[in-house]
Amino acid sequence: AQSVTQLGSHVSVSEGALVLLRCNYSSSVPPYLFWYVQYPNQGLQLLLKYTSAATLVKGINGFEAEFKKSETSFHLTKPSAHMSDAAEYFCAVSVNTDKLIFGTGTRLQVFP
Amino acid sequence: SAVISQKPSRDICQRGTSLTIQCQVDSQVTMMFWYRQQPGQSLTLIATANQGSEATYESGFVIDKFPISRPNLTFSTLTVSNMSPEDSSIYLCSVEDGSGHGYTFGSGTRLTVV
Repeated sequence: AQSVTQLGSHVSVSEGALVLLRCNYSSSVPPYLFWYVQYPNQGLQLLLKYTSAATLVKGINGFEAEFKKSETSFHLTKPSAHMSDAAEYFCAVSVNTDKLIFGTGTRLQVFP
Repeated sequence: SAVISQKPSRDICQRGTSLTIQCQVDSQVTMMFWYRQQPGQSLTLIATANQGSEATYESGFVIDKFPISRPNLTFSTLTVSNMSPEDSSIYLCSVEDGSGHGYTFGSGTRLTVV
């Protein structure tokens, strides 16, 4: 069965600093990988997704993620954090468009 | 991509009662998924609902507590039965909308059990 592990339940960065949120997956077959963002008291918003095309995926709001099969990773990055990036971020995996399994989430705090 | 209408958006219920949550999709989809998000937690899959067959429940979730209906390819309901305060969560439905491995989520139902 597939799963994802998000390292670090909380990440704090200064405004303008690099954002790096880590996600490792486990899957016996090629996975589809997703990053979602949830702002306080709001629904889920898709940031980006990997579906076996380009390994470097660009998403909304300046975020991108790189699929590394050798490391079974799909880390989310943004070169320069903005105050508005403060939210909960979820990595998720699916196989063959089956059910979507979520990681435990990482809360990003951005300090001025 | 698909658009999901989920209702109610929130409710406050007495313990021991039941609440039925509805999800309507604007296109036909094979599978619908129901998730629970407990306060401060991630999303946990409750079950997968296919039209014309019984839902498939994940470990830790049972049909008696969370009965699901899927009468057609655009609609599903989840009932939270015999509620207790521990059932206070956000419940979300989701579909794989066939647009390129995208998953669409409903806006969620925020349930408080008192």
